[in-house]
Amino acid sequence: EIVLTQSPDFQSVTPKEKVTITCRASQSIGSSLHWYQQKPDQSPKLLIKYASQSFSGVPSRFSGSGSGTDFTLTINSLEAEDAATYYCHQSSSLPQTFGQGTKVEIK
Amino acid sequence: QVQLVQSGAEVKKPGASVKVSCKASGYTFTSYGISWVRQAPGQGLEWMGWISAYNGNTNYAQKLQGRVTMTTDTSTSTAYMELRSLRSDDTAVYYCARWTIFSYMDVWGKGTTVTVSS
Repeated sequence: EIVLTQSPDFQSVTPKEKVTITCRASQSIGSSLHWYQQKPDQSPKLLIKYASQSFSGVPSRFSGSGSGTDFTLTINSLEAEDAATYYCHQSSSLPQTFGQGTKVEIK
Repeated sequence: QVQLVQSGAEVKKPGASVKVSCKASGYTFTSYGISWVRQAPGQGLEWMGWISAYNGNTNYAQKLQGRVTMTTDTSTSTAYMELRSLRSDDTAVYYCARWTIFSYMDVWGKGTTVTVSS
């Protein structure tokens, strides 16, 4: 099973600041890494597919990069509505796995 | 629009079974699979398994093997997830999501809360 480790677990950020979340895979997964945003009491929403491809309708301040074992989700100029927990997810092999999540709080 | 509509909340006693439904609309049901993901209170996301709506092939998380069954009814574009021998640690929100094998989950249901309590 591929283990995904996110860092940090929690981040408190002021509006307009830049946020960087990393996701490290226990073995190479190519670009089969996707990012989701989950707000309280809502289902997850796809933000980035295949490491760096923005999903339809997602604001341009969200971007992703990386390949192999190291990946990054960047939120440029954080807005209040971005307060959420962010998860990475690998689909390279079964069982699919998720990172433990990174909670982003607005100061 | 593309959507997945899940069945309502359930309360079950330990040892019982639960069957959650997920009705798809707005796309060709058999062109995609359905993944099931659960989230225990205050915890992260846990992948439970996957079913192809095209041919019914399944793949389950090892920890749930023997207790979980995923099925589809193509006549109603509905996917089902049955979990048996429920325990208190099965208390969670259960999500279905549209998925293509080795790909992302782009459409999610709103979730079904399953509470296991004596």
